[in-house]
Parts: sequence; C-alpha cells; structure tokens
Amino acid sequence: GAVVSQHPSRVICKSGTSVKIECRSLDFQATTMFWYRQFPKQSLMLMATSNEGSKATYEQGVEKDKFLINHASLTLSTLTVTSAHPEDSSFYICSAMRRGSSNTGELFFGEGSRLTVL
Amino acid sequence: LAKTTQPISMDSYEGQEVNITCSHNNIATNDYITWYQQFPSQGPRFIIQGYKTKVTNEVASLFIPADRKSSTLSLPRVSLSDTAVYYCLVGDPSGGYNKLIFGAGTRLAVHP
Repeated sequence: GAVVSQHPSRVICKSGTSVKIECRSLDFQATTMFWYRQFPKQSLMLMATSNEGSKATYEQGVEKDKFLINHASLTLSTLTVTSAHPEDSSFYICSAMRRGSSNTGELFFGEGSRLTVL
Repeated sequence: LAKTTQPISMDSYEGQEVNITCSHNNIATNDYITWYQQFPSQGPRFIIQGYKTKVTNEVASLFIPADRKSSTLSLPRVSLSDTAVYYCLVGDPSGGYNKLIFGAGTRLAVHP
C-alpha cells in the first residue's frame, strides 16, 4: 500500500538551532501534503497545507517564518523549525493524499517526528 | 467546517464488538467520512472510508445513516492490540481535503 515516510523519527537539538523534517510519499505523487503537531495526550493540530510548487497555507496562529514549509517536488515536503525553543518540542506528523480512481482519496500519514529542544 | 464529536473514551474486553459513534451534523454534500487509528508515538493509520450506507473491509465496518449526520465505526472481536485512539474525520477528497481538522478522538482501551 501507499507509504509516507518521515525523517528523522527523533531529533534532539539545542535551543536556537533550526531543524528540518522531511516527508516523502514513497509510491505515489502528492500535490498536497499536510503538517500537524501533536502534544502529549492531545489530538493532531493542523499547522499548514503544503502545495507543490506554491506557498504553503498556514493555519491561524502558526508562524510562517518560524515553521518554514517547502514542497519542491510531488513526493517531498519539508518542515523547518527555525530558532527552535523548548516549547516547540512536540510530535510533528505529515500526511499526503493519494487520489483514488473514483476521485475519492485516502490520506496517508507519516510515522511522525519527535522533536525535543533542550 | 464539518466538526466531529466523539466519545472521549471507551472500554471493552477482548473478543467483544466495539462501536464508536461520531456526530458530524454539518457534513457537506461532497464530504466523505474517514476513520483513523493512532497508536502512541505513531502517525494515524487509515481504517475505513465511506460516503453512505455501509462499508466493510477486512478490519472494520462503517455504518452511515441516510442523513449522514453521524457514523459508527464497528470493530468486530477486538483484541488488546486494538487499544488506540480512533479519529473520525469528514472531508471532501475531490477538494484535496482542505482544512481537514482532527477532533479529540476516542481513546479505546481493550482489557483482557
């Protein structure tokens, strides 16, 4: 079946540094990918919609200059957390949609990336 | 935006059938209903998707009444490994699932 892969799965960084998380659709092309953040015991919170070849659309309250999203190809979107702080520590999850033959679509999620900022 | 409401938590025992109901009163005409399962520290995993009536696959069934304002995920004969959080989402796949919002989900605990 379709697979979405994230890398790295875990990352620890120092406060003030930047961290890049990759999201790849391994066996299908995804014009749209989504980035979520999830804190412990909470639901997924949509951060932004990543569109191939255009600027990402950010949800209200999400700083676009802090969470840089680049969707340079049909199989890769990246999220860069710039000048990370401890409060940015979270579980970041991406998803990509594969369109079905009847114009339905399944959202496939990556394994998630746990960011810890010291 | 189609908002979903689910029970916060449910408990069951191995071998029982579990039914989780989701309310989505504002579902739009083009919206599909999709259920996902999430284990701790993992991304959500697709379970089932439907538009109306009943859909069944190898792991679950999805019941959708005619008015589509709710849906019920049915897990037959659950096992301990089915302990997870279950989310129902509504969205229009032809529209790219724009603004797909997760609700709180239902935390299912399966006991021996």
